[in-house]
Order: sequence, then C-alpha cells, then structure tokens
Amino acid sequence: SQKIEQNSEALNIQEGKTATLTCNYTNYSPAYLQWYRQDPGRGPVFLLLIRENEKEKRKERLKVTFDTTLKQSLFHITASQPADSATYLCAPSNNAGNMLTFGGGTRLMVKP
Amino acid sequence: EPEVTQTPSHQVTQMGQEVILRCVPISNHLYFYWYRQILGQKVEFLVSFYNNEISEKSEIFDDQFSVERPDGSNFTLKIRSTKLEDSAMYFCASSDNRDTGELFFGEGSRLTVL
Repeated sequence: SQKIEQNSEALNIQEGKTATLTCNYTNYSPAYLQWYRQDPGRGPVFLLLIRENEKEKRKERLKVTFDTTLKQSLFHITASQPADSATYLCAPSNNAGNMLTFGGGTRLMVKP
Repeated sequence: EPEVTQTPSHQVTQMGQEVILRCVPISNHLYFYWYRQILGQKVEFLVSFYNNEISEKSEIFDDQFSVERPDGSNFTLKIRSTKLEDSAMYFCASSDNRDTGELFFGEGSRLTVL
C-alpha cells in the first residue's frame, strides 16, 4: 500500500540555521509533490509544489528537492526564524482534483 | 485575499446526534474536499467533490457521512449519527482547475462528541 514517511520526532534548530525536513514515499509514482505548513489548531497552508521533472524549486527562503529515484523530497528553510516553527506536511499527488494524502508531518522548533 | 470559511468553529454534540458542518469554498474553485484530523494525528482525506458529485472517498467516509452543495456556494458535511470516535477537527478545502491542484484550507470545525 502507499506510504508516506516523515520524521515524527520534532526537529529543534537554532535561529539562523538551515532546517532540512525529509519526506519519503513508497508504492507511489507521483507527478507532483506538495509541501504545506500547519500551525496548531489551524488548517494547512500551501507552500510549494514541485513536479516530477523538476529537481529543485525555490521560493524566498524555502527550497524543495524531488528525487524520483530515491522516492524522496527534501524541504529546506534557510536562515530559519522562530516564526518558522510549525508542523510541515508533505503530500505526493498524481492529478489535480484528486485526493491528496498527507504525511504525518514533522514539527520544526526554531529557538532564538 | 479569498479564503475558505467554515462554520461552526466548534460544535459539541451528544453521541447519536446528527451534525452538519458548513463550508464556503473560494468562489471560482471547482474541486471541494473534506479532511479530518484527530487530535495529535495526521490530516486524513475523507471525500472529494467535483461537478456536483463525489469523485473520491476514503474508507473513513462510510454511510454515516454525506456531502452536499445545496446552493452553489455552500459545501456541507453531514454526519448522520455521531460516534465518540468522530471527535476531530474537520477541514474543508477547495482547489481551482489548474493542473497543480494545490488546496486552500479553511480554519476547521472542531467537533466534540460526548
């Protein structure tokens, strides 16, 4: 069955450092992979989408990579800030309009 | 900026009662979804809706659940006879018809079943 794995342990880093979060998937051949941010008690917020034919995507301090051979996406936040503290969810997908399945998320804590 | 709105923000109900959760998706979006998140667990897909019919549903979305778009703007989730295990945050989401399918989520409706 399809499986999405994100590190369930919280990632604690110092302000200013680069945070790297991992998303691994099995039994999937996604055409896209999306990353969302979720704050406690709130709905997920879309951050970035990367297509299977893209190796890397950037948006401001965010960078996502997508390795379809390793079946892995890495999500980087450079120059991290305490305001980046949240849970980050990955979601591989095949087609727009179809169901999106989320990983369990990784909680990031950025300490000042 | 357009947003998805959900009501109520919190509902407390007795086991066995019917509950209707309401959502107003972003106006030009064509795809609508319900997700739920039990406290401390992952965001789980319930159902997707397109062109006035269910396009996909998960195993969670059994006969106790139904969705409706009654008037062209609202999108509702009905739970016919609530169980304790239905206690969760329910998120509505919508998406437009571009090929990316990014979802715009509402702030959720917290359902507590006693």
